[in-house]
Amino acid sequence: AQSVTQPDIHITVSEGASLELRCNYSYGATPYLFWYVQSPGQGLQLLLKYFSGDTLVQGIKGFEAEFKRSQSSFNLRKPSVHWSDAAEYFCAVGGFNNNDMRFGAGTRLTVKP
Amino acid sequence: DAMVIQNPRYQVTQFGKPVTLSCSQTLNHNVMYWYQQKSSQAPKLLFHYYDKDFNNEADTPDNFQSRRPNTSFCFLDIRSPGLGDAAMYLCATSTGGFETQYFGPGTRLLVL
Repeated sequence: AQSVTQPDIHITVSEGASLELRCNYSYGATPYLFWYVQSPGQGLQLLLKYFSGDTLVQGIKGFEAEFKRSQSSFNLRKPSVHWSDAAEYFCAVGGFNNNDMRFGAGTRLTVKP
Repeated sequence: DAMVIQNPRYQVTQFGKPVTLSCSQTLNHNVMYWYQQKSSQAPKLLFHYYDKDFNNEADTPDNFQSRRPNTSFCFLDIRSPGLGDAAMYLCATSTGGFETQYFGPGTRLLVL
């Protein structure tokens, strides 16, 4: 069965600084990988997803993620964080049948002025 | 705008009193999901419908049931809510397979 580990429960960065959120997955076949963002009291919004092809994926709001099969990782990055990026970020992995998508425990991002 | 709507946004119920949460979608998606999300935890899939086909997760308690009367609506019924069922309940839709899931804003359930 697939699983996702997000090693960092909480990260604090200064506004304008770069950001990297870590995600490691376990899946026996080709994974489908997702990053979602959740603002307080809201549902989840898709930032980006990887199915195949170019391992560097561009998403919305200036985010990108890189799939590294050898490291079973799909880390999320942003070169310059804005205060509005403060939220909870979830990595998720699914198989061909996305009906069985699994989420990581999430990383809460705090942005300092 | 096409969207996933959840009502109510906040629901307070009493211990053991049945409660129903509602989800509707204007996306005309085949698949509708219900997730439970407890504080500071990942969303946990309870079940999903692929059209009229119901798929229950193995560890979803019997206390949780769902109905999908048509493509647009899906309901989550909690027959006898316990204190441990207090959580955010998220509805999502997709066209199936590995396509993007679109989430509603959630219903926060409080059990007194």
